[in-house]
Amino acid sequence: QKEVEQNSGPLSVPEGAIASLNCTYSDRGSQSFFWYRQYSGKSPELIMFIYSNGDKEDGRFTAQLNKASQYVSLLIRDSQPSDSATYLCAAINTGTASKLTFGTGTRLQVTL
Amino acid sequence: DTGVSQNPRHKITKRGQNVTFRCDPISEHNRLYWYRQTLGQGPEFLTYFQNEAQLEKSRLLSDRFSAERPKGSFSTLEIQRTEQGDSAMYLCASSMRGSNEKLFFGSGTQLSVL
Repeated sequence: QKEVEQNSGPLSVPEGAIASLNCTYSDRGSQSFFWYRQYSGKSPELIMFIYSNGDKEDGRFTAQLNKASQYVSLLIRDSQPSDSATYLCAAINTGTASKLTFGTGTRLQVTL
Repeated sequence: DTGVSQNPRHKITKRGQNVTFRCDPISEHNRLYWYRQTLGQGPEFLTYFQNEAQLEKSRLLSDRFSAERPKGSFSTLEIQRTEQGDSAMYLCASSMRGSNEKLFFGSGTQLSVL
């Protein structure tokens, strides 16, 4: 079982719709969770982080965390073609390590 | 803030050759990480430094790989006797201890081993 799992996609949504990206993790001791956006041929860019159960909103992005279910999600409202990218979920358990563990990423396609 | 800088951006080498990559982290960051990423996969952890101390290395890291961070500033990653399986994007990231582990990545070095 991978430590951080994501559906590789592609997830296709029409412009203006809500994109919902999901991630599960196996280490119950993970405390912090991150979403990175990666355009093709580019490096990952941090877009959201969340530490507490519940929702965290930043502009069009909302991160959701449910530690009991070991589940993290990212919602993108009013999706734009420029949101088309791969979204990487990452987790860290600072009690056992100081490194982020990444999922394989979900490719999002926003269609016109 | 100039961000994390990596050089070179691209490296093409023949199998068996040695290669060295450089990473300059964000100046106030004391943690520096090396990751490797292949197509369709997420970044895979290789090693990390806090200041000049190398605190963790991946069990998957071959003895052909070595990293240094002299004086706790820039870092180098060397791959000896490269193999075709080493072809990947090598990503450097930095963070500040106590910043809740937010990593900021450089542009990466794309290695192609022929």
